[in-house]
This record gives sequence, structure tokens and C-alpha cells, in this order.
Amino acid sequence: DTGVSQDPRHKITKRGQNVTFRCDPISEHNRLYWYRQTLGQGPEFLTYFQNEAQLEKSRLLSDRFSAERPKGSFSTLEIQRTEQGDSAMYLCASRIGGATEAFFGQGTRLTVV
Amino acid sequence: AQKVTQAQTEISVVEKEDVTLDCVYETRDTTYYLFWYKQPPSGELVFLIRRNSFDEQNEISGRYSWNFQKSTSSFNFTITASQVVDSAVYFCALNEGTYKYIFGTGTRLKVLA
Repeated sequence: DTGVSQDPRHKITKRGQNVTFRCDPISEHNRLYWYRQTLGQGPEFLTYFQNEAQLEKSRLLSDRFSAERPKGSFSTLEIQRTEQGDSAMYLCASRIGGATEAFFGQGTRLTVV
Repeated sequence: AQKVTQAQTEISVVEKEDVTLDCVYETRDTTYYLFWYKQPPSGELVFLIRRNSFDEQNEISGRYSWNFQKSTSSFNFTITASQVVDSAVYFCALNEGTYKYIFGTGTRLKVLA
């Protein structure tokens, strides 16, 4: 499978716990995105990487959220001290430089109880 | 400010009917890109089409067609002879040539057998 891969697909956690999600982009895609999608809404931009550099973070990304992309390959999104409002689908996307369409993974659905 | 509006929250049609999904966008830029994505129940956003602001030619791909009109800032999507497998949430998105994609709230299409 050469698409964007996300792990895990589902995560249920208790409020206050930390969670970490992983995204493996399409090989050779140097641009990587994290989006968040809540029920009935479109995806909302969280952050963007070009290679290993994080170029922008949305105001939606509070200081409890951190994203990394070591070596410009896979990326992780960590949420510390989870809150019920963090429950959502977290989508990762990648694209190659110069092209404009992004390709999305199947997402990680987070439920905070 | 950039914005994408999909006024139709949900549409139900009977199989073999034609259906048009509306998308209206706002942007101050003269160079921009518009996209349609399909999100089936599995959650992955599937890229369907990209159109740049300088190309107003309509496009047809099988049962899918897209009508781009700059004069009305619209980029509508028509499915001809709908099938049950077309049931999904469809998102329109805007990119102003930067790295960020702005999504509409989506239209849920239900095709009934």
C-alpha cells in the first residue's frame, strides 16, 4: 500500500491521559499536514511540515498539542492531558512539492472519555 | 478572507438520478486552486479533481462532471446516473497557492437503491 498510513485507526483514552498518533506519508512527499475533523464539519488545518521543518501551527493547536517530523519522514502528533473536546478524527495528508493536491490517510479517531 | 460554503448539508436521491453538489468560494487572490474530495464511511478523503483559477473549462470524468464559474465563484459537482457506491460525504476545498487547504462543511449524499 503506497498511500498515507495512520496508526492507530481508533483510540479511546481517559481524560487527562497523553496520546500519540503516527503518520507515514507517501514516499517522497516532502509536505505533510495534520488536520482535525469533528462530526458534521470539514477538516480544519492544524499544522504543516515541509521536510522536517514545522512551518505553521494553527491557533487550534494549543500548547497541549505537539507535532514532530524527525528526518522529514514520518510524523507524530501528541496530545497531552487530553480533554473531552479533543475527541475528533485526526487526519494526516501529504503532497509532493510543486503539486497542489494533498493525499489523505484514513485518519485516527480519538475518543476521550 | 478565504472561505468555502457548501450550503447543502444532506441530499438523498434514488439510484440512477442525477445530482449536483454546490460549492461557493471566497478569495481575494487571482491565483487559486479548487478541489473536490470524497469521504466514504471508511474516513479517508479521496481526491477527485483539482482546478486552477485560470482554467474555466468544464471537466467530465465518467459519470462525474464539474462546472467552474468564476463569475459566480462556484465550482459545482454533478454525478450522473448516481449509484449506491456514490454515497459519501463530499468536500469542496480551496487553496490560494499556499500550503493551506480550506474545506467546506461537506455535503452528505445518500443514494437509495
